Amino acid sequence: EAGVTQSPTHLIKTRGQQVTLRCSPISGHTSVYWYQQALGLGLQFLLWYDEGEERNRGNFPPRFSGRQFPNYSSELNVNALELEDSALYLCASSRKPRMNTEAFFGQGTRLTVV
Amino acid sequence: AQSVTQLDSHVSVSEGTPVLLRCNYSSSYSPSLFWYVQHPNKGLQLLLKYTSAATLVKGINGFEAEFKKSETSFHLTKPSAHMSDAAEYFCVVSTAEDSSYKLIFGSGTRLLVRP
Repeated sequence: EAGVTQSPTHLIKTRGQQVTLRCSPISGHTSVYWYQQALGLGLQFLLWYDEGEERNRGNFPPRFSGRQFPNYSSELNVNALELEDSALYLCASSRKPRMNTEAFFGQGTRLTVV
Repeated sequence: AQSVTQLDSHVSVSEGTPVLLRCNYSSSYSPSLFWYVQHPNKGLQLLLKYTSAATLVKGINGFEAEFKKSETSFHLTKPSAHMSDAAEYFCVVSTAEDSSYKLIFGSGTRLLVRP
């Protein structure tokens, strides 16, 4: 069974540009989560999608957005990139979440903003 | 509100000696708790999870964790460290407040294994 896949693995962008990150969940999983892991800041929750709808959003500005497609894959879009957006962006997927539902993570996309 | 605190930012052990990574949680109801491991420049891998079925949970790679409600702790242990265990470890609690599911991560503990 294929795991969560993310693309691209690495990306370098210039401040002010826009970027799109992609995530394919494990087959049968309907929920996708996005996390930002910036140096020294730990894992910060960005977004949760389930069955095509945004279910929850972390404390990030509106220039962070995304969507989930009918096949449950997801995109994370970041507009007007800032230097502090440099981070590892992790995508995770799960079955319909209950309290004891574990999430499975992809390898991440390393974004560098220069 | 749910929260999780990892008590040590760094832990250093010698190969072959026991590992103890400490985690305390705060929860208004019976929590679901997880430990994840992250090797350098990699994603997170689930080590084990607690879901109230048993207080001692066995995970992969010889790790286990014990849920102690009286101490609100969920410490991760391994009897004998291996060089390949060097990584960052995250204690995680899940929350379903306002019908919105979220995983809340601790700040992480970096495990260094000395030869």
